[in-house]
Amino acid sequence: AQSVTQPDIHITVSEGASLELRCNYSYGATPYLFWYVQSPGQGLQLLLKYFSGDTLVQGIKGFEAEFKRSQSSFNLRKPSVHWSDAAEYFCAVGFMEYGNKLVFGAGTILRVKS
Amino acid sequence: EPEVTQTPSHQVTQMGQEVILRCVPISNHLYFYWYRQILGQKVEFLVSFYNNEISEKSEIFDDQFSVERPDGSNFTLKIRSTKLEDSAMYFCASSEEGEQFFGPGTRLTVL
Repeated sequence: AQSVTQPDIHITVSEGASLELRCNYSYGATPYLFWYVQSPGQGLQLLLKYFSGDTLVQGIKGFEAEFKRSQSSFNLRKPSVHWSDAAEYFCAVGFMEYGNKLVFGAGTILRVKS
Repeated sequence: EPEVTQTPSHQVTQMGQEVILRCVPISNHLYFYWYRQILGQKVEFLVSFYNNEISEKSEIFDDQFSVERPDGSNFTLKIRSTKLEDSAMYFCASSEEGEQFFGPGTRLTVL
């Protein structure tokens, strides 16, 4: 079965520090890959996506992610975190041959300390 | 910019009652989805809908659930007899292909 693993439930970083959130997926082929952000009580906002091509993708709010096929990973990075980045981050994979459903990871809660 | 809308934003119901959650997908999209997120947990796929029929559904989507596209714009999720464990945030999404656009969600509280 398809699965998405986000090994870090909580991460705390200092404002201005760099950030990397990890995501691994389990699937036979390369799925579509996404990162979403969710603030408390809010909906899901797409940060970035990977379908094909360049494995380093740029997103909104200064985020980027790198797809590594050999590691089945799609880690999210930001060089300098802002206090407003505190939120929950979800990695998701999409499978066209399964009705295009998205399978989400459990999420990583990011706390930013000043 | 076009967006997915959902109504109501919050629905409170008694256990055993029927609820209908409504969504208006982006107008030129062909694929429609429902997901749910129980408080503090991850987002879970419920069902996908294409060409007026269900294309995929999860184990959660049992006989108590149904979806419908009653007209050219709305997409609804019906829960026939709600249970306490149906309390969650329900998200609608739509897509052409690939990227799915999510609505703001409906928070369902079953008492």
